[in-house]
Formats: sequence, C-alpha cells, structure tokens
Amino acid sequence: KAGVTQTPRYLIKTRGQQVTLSCSPISGHRSVSWYQQTPGQGLQFLFEYFSETQRNKGNFPGRFSGRQFSNSRSEMNVSTLELGDSALYLCASSFAAGHDTDTQYFGPGTRLTVL
Amino acid sequence: KNQVEQSPQSLIILEGKNCTLQCNYTVSPFSNLRWYKQDTGRGPVSLTIMTFSENTKSNGRYTATLDADTKQSSLHITASQLSDSASYICVVMIAVNDYKLSFGAGTTVTVRA
Repeated sequence: KAGVTQTPRYLIKTRGQQVTLSCSPISGHRSVSWYQQTPGQGLQFLFEYFSETQRNKGNFPGRFSGRQFSNSRSEMNVSTLELGDSALYLCASSFAAGHDTDTQYFGPGTRLTVL
Repeated sequence: KNQVEQSPQSLIILEGKNCTLQCNYTVSPFSNLRWYKQDTGRGPVSLTIMTFSENTKSNGRYTATLDADTKQSSLHITASQLSDSASYICVVMIAVNDYKLSFGAGTTVTVRA
C-alpha cells in the first residue's frame, strides 16, 4: 500500500506570494492533518480535514487555509507569504478522525523557503 | 512555558546500550499521549499511543510508560542500534469540546558505534 505523498517536496517563494501544497493520503484514509515544523517552534498543528470537512484547527492566522476533496486528497494554501512561513509542512493521514487513537501516518513533507 | 517538556534535549549513546527519554506534561484533560520518531529529513513515524488507562506499551525495542497521575511518560530504547539515531517527539492530546495537541520540543538521540 502506498504511503502518504506530498507535492512538491521543495518550494522557494518570495514574500507576498501565495503557495498551494498537496497531500495524497493512504488509500482508504479519510482524515488528513497538516502540521508546520520549524527549528524554533517545533511541530505545530495547523488543521485536520475529515470527509471533506474541517474538523479542527490550530492557532494559525487566516492566511493558512485548506480543503479536502471527495477522494480525500487535501491541499493547503498559504497566502501573502512571510519570511516566518519558511518551514517543513507535513501532512498525516489516518482512517479515523484525529481525536481517535488511530495511528497517523506522515508524509515526507514539503520544505518551503520564503525569500 | 511549554506545556509538554521533554528531557534531555539531546543525548549520545553507544550502540547496544539502553536509554530512557522523559516527557512531562501539564495539559489537561488528558486524552492520549503519543511518541513519534523522526529521522532527519523525513516525516515522523508513530511509535506508541497511550490512553489514560494504559501504563505501558511496547513497539519492538521501544517501550513507553505513562503515569497519568504524575503526568509523566518515558520512552525506553533497548539495545540501541545506529538506526535509532533520530529525534523523538512526545505529543499530548487533550479533549474538551474538540481535541487539542501539545507538542514537546523533542529529544535528539545519537547512537555511536
């Protein structure tokens, strides 16, 4: 069974631009969660989508948004990029919703650099 | 102050030796605690998930313990291997109306031959 895939793997953008990241979950998984990881802040939860609905969200500004499609694939969008948005963006999928104790499987991440 | 504290920040051990990582948390109401292993340049991999009623859970050479009364957890690595070199992250989930996640900063383990 294929794992979680994320595209692109690396991205360089400039301040003010917007970016869209994509995540394809493991087949059959309905939950996709997004995380930001930086050396200074560590891992932080962005949001979770389950069956095309946002189930939960962390403390990030409205510039960060996402959506999930009927095939469970998810996209994350960041508008008006700031230097501080440079990070590794990880997505994780699971069969059950995030509040359950179902194992989450992470993708390799997208490394975003904002210049 | 982070609500999930991990110690030590980093440690170096010789191949074949054991080590124990600590995770202390203050968040509540507790739902579950997760340990992840993250190799450099890769996404985290789930090692264990423990709920309030579980004291110990093992995954191969990894054994996690949980004391929900003292709000402490540990991850014990037995007979370390070079492939155990990674960052180990403790994540605590609380559940009120919905769930919240609190992340530890991680412990970096380096195993040397």
